[in-house]
Amino acid sequence: EAQVTQNPRYLITVTGKKLTVTCSQNMNHEYMSWYRQDPGLGLRQIYYSMNVEVTDKGDVPEGYKVSRKEKRNFPLILESPSPNQTSLYFCASSLSPTGVSPLHFGNGTRLTVT
Amino acid sequence: AQKVTQAQTEISVVEKEDVTLDCVYETRDTTYYLFWYKQPPSGELVFLIRRNSFDEQNEISGRYSWNFQKSTSSFNFTITASQVVDSAVYFCALSEADRGSTLGRLYFGRGTQLTVWP
Repeated sequence: EAQVTQNPRYLITVTGKKLTVTCSQNMNHEYMSWYRQDPGLGLRQIYYSMNVEVTDKGDVPEGYKVSRKEKRNFPLILESPSPNQTSLYFCASSLSPTGVSPLHFGNGTRLTVT
Repeated sequence: AQKVTQAQTEISVVEKEDVTLDCVYETRDTTYYLFWYKQPPSGELVFLIRRNSFDEQNEISGRYSWNFQKSTSSFNFTITASQVVDSAVYFCALSEADRGSTLGRLYFGRGTQLTVWP
């Protein structure tokens, strides 16, 4: 089944403790992206990747890192999480970054930083 | 400035009513793509439609229809004879694709929470 898999679904952590949210897709998509969703703010893009070893910042990259060493994986790293990073995170992928093809989203990761 | 504006934060209707969700976008590109996504209470994001800037033909899919008007930079979404299962947050999004644009950037509106009462 074609899908984008994020793990974990729920994560509670403390300020400053490094964490990684994994994202994997099995559709051989070149483009992958991370979003955070906050009440009243909609979805905001954090980072995106056009292909292996090619990543770039979105609207809200501060406090996050990503890597794209393999086509299928695009982990989101929070080196020193802070409470303002408490949010619902979505990973997504698509064949093309130009909008020709729609995004396929993962099921989301709800992160709480205390 | 927001590239995608969904002015309606929340809409409530009673089942079988028609409802229109507004989306206004802002871009200088001549080539761009517009999308609608649905987020039901279960939380996943579901793709509904994609429209490119050269195709102003309205589209109908069952009870759903979309009205794209470049003259007013709008891409509105209408649900006819709404049902309780239509209750969700709906997001409009824009991707710019002119040469020189930052490919890969996708701009979402803040979403409209639609509640359909039985």
